[in-house]
Amino acid sequence: GENVEQHPSTLSVQEGDSAVIKCTYSDSASNYFPWYKQELGKGPQLIIDIRSNVGEKKDQRIAVTLNKTAKHFSLHITETQPEDSAVYFCAASRQGNNRLAFGKGNQVVVIP
Amino acid sequence: DAGVTQSPTHLIKTRGQQVTLRCSPKSGHDTVSWYQQALGQGPQFIFQYYEEEERQRGNFPDRFSGHQFPNYSSELNVNALLLGDSALYLCASSLMMEMNTEAFFGQGTRLTVV
Repeated sequence: GENVEQHPSTLSVQEGDSAVIKCTYSDSASNYFPWYKQELGKGPQLIIDIRSNVGEKKDQRIAVTLNKTAKHFSLHITETQPEDSAVYFCAASRQGNNRLAFGKGNQVVVIP
Repeated sequence: DAGVTQSPTHLIKTRGQQVTLRCSPKSGHDTVSWYQQALGQGPQFIFQYYEEEERQRGNFPDRFSGHQFPNYSSELNVNALLLGDSALYLCASSLMMEMNTEAFFGQGTRLTVV
């Protein structure tokens, strides 16, 4: 089955700086890559996703890049704010499968 | 749109007991997937229901079973609870269409087995 790995496990950034989280996946048939943000006591919230026919996608301060050859994808958060502090999960699935394989998560701490 | 709703939010059970968790999917969604999230870990796929049938299953024992109703809501049942079943149980809803795979999660049910 699919194996998704995330690095680093914890990331501390100064408010206003950028944060980058990287994930790798093992299944070459995976073609859908969502990112979720989970705050304490809440369920994961979908923040951005990318499909394998696209190399980059941006939504305001958040962007995701995908390198299919290297089997890795990254989340970029610019101009970080304290409310960006949370655990971020990357995931992967095959098209039409709707079965997500998650990484272990990254704790992002934005220091005011 | 109320999004994905789960009940109850918290639950404490004794080892050996049985538990039922409930999920109502986002309006318009027809597929429900269940995940188990241990503390400090990413969610692990348990199984998925579509058209009232289990379509996919992860690496979980038969003690974990489920059901989907005609209105697309779903239940997760766990029998013979073990201490290791303590976790956050998440329900995710989606639409079973080839190009539309966004999955939206509920707030989860925190199960504690004592």
